[in-house]
Amino acid sequence: KNEVEQSPQNLTAQEGEFITINCSYSVGISALHWLQQHPGGGIVSLFMLSSGKKKHGRLIATINIQEKHSSLHITASHPRDSAVYICAVTKGGSQGNLIFGKGTKLSVKP
Amino acid sequence: NAGVTQTPKFRILKIGQSMTLQCTQDMNHNYMYWYRQDPGMGLKLIYYSVGAGITDKGEVPNGYNVSRSTTEDFPLRLELAAPSQTSVYFCASNRETPNYGYTFGSGTRLTVV
Repeated sequence: KNEVEQSPQNLTAQEGEFITINCSYSVGISALHWLQQHPGGGIVSLFMLSSGKKKHGRLIATINIQEKHSSLHITASHPRDSAVYICAVTKGGSQGNLIFGKGTKLSVKP
Repeated sequence: NAGVTQTPKFRILKIGQSMTLQCTQDMNHNYMYWYRQDPGMGLKLIYYSVGAGITDKGEVPNGYNVSRSTTEDFPLRLELAAPSQTSVYFCASNRETPNYGYTFGSGTRLTVV
């Protein structure tokens, strides 16, 4: 079983919809990261969380340390949000090495 | 600032050839990492470095070597390329773990034929 699991694997939405991507992990962590990867593109860091909630524009990330679960929400989705969203964790006690989920491919239709 | 710069962006190698993937960062980050990304899989750590002169193996180091002679540069060397090394390679850096965000390079798409 992977240490970081994401759901769903694929997600298609209509423009304007509210989107939620989930991430569960099974190890002790010092931080959780949400990353974005556009097709053929590089990886961009969206959020780093160790507790609570963070918001940036239309993106909101939450984490529940007790339940070992995080969610990434996108409000008022737009076709430009189409990308792969990757959850990754920094394992507690590690040298900062990230453990990655397999990603959620989001497609937002106009 | 340029961030993390990777070269080349694309490369096709023949089986048995060698090459070096270059990675440089201008943020004075101590921590640097090499990951590979295979279709349908999460990124896997190849090697990492916590500072100049210090490197260590990650999850999938076989067939690769690294060096870290300066803070800025962290090249990844492939010796005797094999088809299993066909992948997209990402270099990343971080100022100080665990509480800082990561900066990723734009990736190198490598095909071994």
